[in-house]
Amino acid sequence: GDSVTQMEGPVTLSEEAFLTINCTYTATGYPSLFWYVQYPGEGLQLLLKATKADDKGSNKGFEATYRKETTSFHLEKGSVQVSDSAVYFCALTPTNSGNTPLVFGKGTRLSVIA
Amino acid sequence: GAGVSQSPRYKVAKRGQDVALRCDPISGHVSLFWYQQALGQGPEFLTYFQNEAQLDKSGLPSDRFFAERPEGSVSTLKIQRTQQEDSAVYLCATGGGRALYEQYFGPGTRLTVT
Repeated sequence: GDSVTQMEGPVTLSEEAFLTINCTYTATGYPSLFWYVQYPGEGLQLLLKATKADDKGSNKGFEATYRKETTSFHLEKGSVQVSDSAVYFCALTPTNSGNTPLVFGKGTRLSVIA
Repeated sequence: GAGVSQSPRYKVAKRGQDVALRCDPISGHVSLFWYQQALGQGPEFLTYFQNEAQLDKSGLPSDRFFAERPEGSVSTLKIQRTQQEDSAVYLCATGGGRALYEQYFGPGTRLTVT
């Protein structure tokens, strides 16, 4: 079945460091890809999305590009802040038509220290 | 507020008790999903409604789990004869309408079975 694999954490970075969190997927067809973030004590929030190959999703300085050839959707940010400390989940829906159940990776905990 | 709400936020149940978890969706969202998130893991799909119709319940782990959405709005996830392995955070997410690819998550209900 469809699956998402993301790098294990925790990841600890100093403020202003460059962030990459790797995510690869296995899916039949043409999935939509997402990054969700869970801040301490809060619910899951959509960070960014891409619905077709070569699309780049971006939000709050984070970016991820849908790479069909490598089945990847790596999350990047050029300069992290303490406020970015959270758990990040890569996810997919199996189709690009309509609302369907999400398949999540296990999550990567990021801690940014001042 | 305009977000997804869930109640109770925390529930402690003795093994063998029945529990009911409630989800109030964002108004107008026709799709409603339940997910189970074990500690340190990503959310896993349980079941999915479109309006009042339960379209997919393939993720429900056993016949002790039952979900309903009788009027196409509020949904209840019921767990009968709770077991320790049911301890998790239960997340509700809704989507649809203009939020074609996005699911909006509630804060979750943390269930602890003792």
